[in-house]
Parts: sequence; C-alpha cells; structure tokens
Amino acid sequence: GAGVSQTPSNKVTEKGKYVELRCDPISGHTALYWYRQSLGQGPEFLIYFQGTGAADDSGLPNDRFFAVRPEGSVSTLKIQRTERGDSAVYLCASSSPTGYGYTFGSGTRLTVV
Amino acid sequence: TQLLEQSPQFLSIQEGENLTVYCNSSSVFSSLQWYRQEPGEGPVLLVTVVTGGEVKKLKRLTFQFGDARKDSSLHITAAQPGDTGLYLCAGLPGGSARQLTFGSGTQLTVLP
Repeated sequence: GAGVSQTPSNKVTEKGKYVELRCDPISGHTALYWYRQSLGQGPEFLIYFQGTGAADDSGLPNDRFFAVRPEGSVSTLKIQRTERGDSAVYLCASSSPTGYGYTFGSGTRLTVV
Repeated sequence: TQLLEQSPQFLSIQEGENLTVYCNSSSVFSSLQWYRQEPGEGPVLLVTVVTGGEVKKLKRLTFQFGDARKDSSLHITAAQPGDTGLYLCAGLPGGSARQLTFGSGTQLTVLP
C-alpha cells in the first residue's frame, strides 16, 4: 500500500479483555516496529521485526503482550488481560532495508475502561 | 539504555519569532532523526543527520548534529502557525540495531 495502515483506529475495551491491533506496512518494507505513546510523550519502543522473526522484543512490558508477523508483511499486536495502564496510542512503523527513516501509521488509540 | 532529553518540553510563541529545540544525550548515536507529529497522526520524518557536525536545512528549518554525535538542535526561523505540532528527536544506536530511541518531545504552538 501507499502508507502504513493500522486498524482499528480506536478501540475501547473492558479491563481483563483480550485485544488485537493490526498493522499493514508499506509493501517491500522488511522491518516493522511497534511503539506505544502516551499523551504528549515520545513513542516508547515495544518490538521490532525483521521479516517474519522478532529481532528485538525487549520493549514488551510483560508477558501479556505478544506480537506476530507470520508472513513477513502484516503484523498483529496482541494484549491479553488488558489493564487500565495499557491505555495509550499504539503506533506501527515500517522501514526499507536500506533507509534510515520510519514511516508511521496513524496509530490505534486503545482505551481500557 | 540510551536516553534522549528534549528541551523545552513546551513552547508557545508568536508568528514570526525564531526558536530552537534541543535534543541531548550522554550516549553516541550513529544517526539522529527529527519527526513532527500532529494530533491523531503518526510522526512524520523531517530529516536524518548522520555525520558529526552536519547541518541540514529544510526551508525555514535548520537541523544540526553535534560534533560528538550526542546531541542535536532544530532551529525554526520566522515560525508560522502551520509549524505547530509535537517535535520529536530520535536516535539510532548503531551496529545492527534498527530500532529508534525517541526523545520526550517538544510541543510547539505558534500563535497567529
């Protein structure tokens, strides 16, 4: 696609529920990143994929968070047993094999009530 | 952990004024990027600087990478209301790592 697409744009869920957030990167971009951003703050790194494998998942806060990218394109961030502290904007970005810069999606605003 | 500190955190100025935003770290970065983010959108890349001492200009915006590659600055000349947004610096640590470390951001408001 022309840009990075994230769905849904907004998600409201009840505490304890399971959610999935989807990211469709730019075609040909082998690297994919998930970040989390709180209001007025910079994005915080969660996980980075190179192809199908997670190259670095050191930013995942705990084992309730998991992400997959089974075919090296679309990625899904999965959050189990959601907590109110998980509320944030979840950003996905992709980059080309040779480029420095990221192209971000518009994010998914997750609200846990 | 490599941290990037931005200052000021908030900046509100009148149209036509000049301003500088700073991004500082105790760590060395192989490259540094600046992004601008508007409400409800993801950050958009403005520039990448890779060489110590490098200066890049993008219309009224001037970006500088410190000689030691630990800090950077963004200078805007004659700010306009369209410059309003959250400005983020982000550093790449080098080696095989590809994930960026972002600063805390500077929220700029330019009043007409």
